[in-house]
Amino acid sequence: GAVVSQHPSRVICKSGTSVKIECRSLDFQATTMFWYRQFPKQSLMLMATSNEGSKATYEQGVEKDKFLINHASLTLSTLTVTSAHPEDSSFYICSAPTWGGAGVSDTQYFGPGTRLTVL
Amino acid sequence: GQNIDQPTEMTATEGAIVQINCTYQTSGFNGLFWYQQHAGEAPTFLSYNVLDGLEEKGRFSSFLSRSKGYSYLLLKELQMKDSASYLCALHRGGATNKLIFGTGTLLAVQP
Repeated sequence: GAVVSQHPSRVICKSGTSVKIECRSLDFQATTMFWYRQFPKQSLMLMATSNEGSKATYEQGVEKDKFLINHASLTLSTLTVTSAHPEDSSFYICSAPTWGGAGVSDTQYFGPGTRLTVL
Repeated sequence: GQNIDQPTEMTATEGAIVQINCTYQTSGFNGLFWYQQHAGEAPTFLSYNVLDGLEEKGRFSSFLSRSKGYSYLLLKELQMKDSASYLCALHRGGATNKLIFGTGTLLAVQP
């Protein structure tokens, strides 16, 4: 089946620094990828839609200047958390969809997630 | 709006059956997903309902009623390893093609 990887799996950084998280689709091309954030004991919150060859689409309330998204190729999207602060500490998950039209093949493959801790 | 609500926590006994409900209010969607998520891991796909009715897949079944804005996930013959969070998600489709997740239900299976 389709595989999505994320790197790094865990990162600890100092307040004020920037952190880059990579999301790769390993055996399929993804013109669209999604970035989610998940706080402890909460559900996934969609942050933005990453579009290959164009600007990302951010959800309401998500600061585009703080969470920079670049979809450099059909298999790679990156999320950069700029000037990170302790409140940005969270579990960041990316996903890549394969929509086969209205059918059972529709699904979304998730990366293993990145645990960000900002000190 | 598209409020997607699930019970926060549920407890069930090993070997039993449990039903996890998901109610929503939305103007339209392609289908509804159910995912399982163990702590600290990414969600894993369980089911995708497009049409109304029950879809059975082994110990897991999922039901959708569009007219009632309601879905449920049914887990049979519960095992300890089924202790996890269960997330329903609406597939918006169209130009956005994004998933909007419900609040999630943490299921604890007890011996």
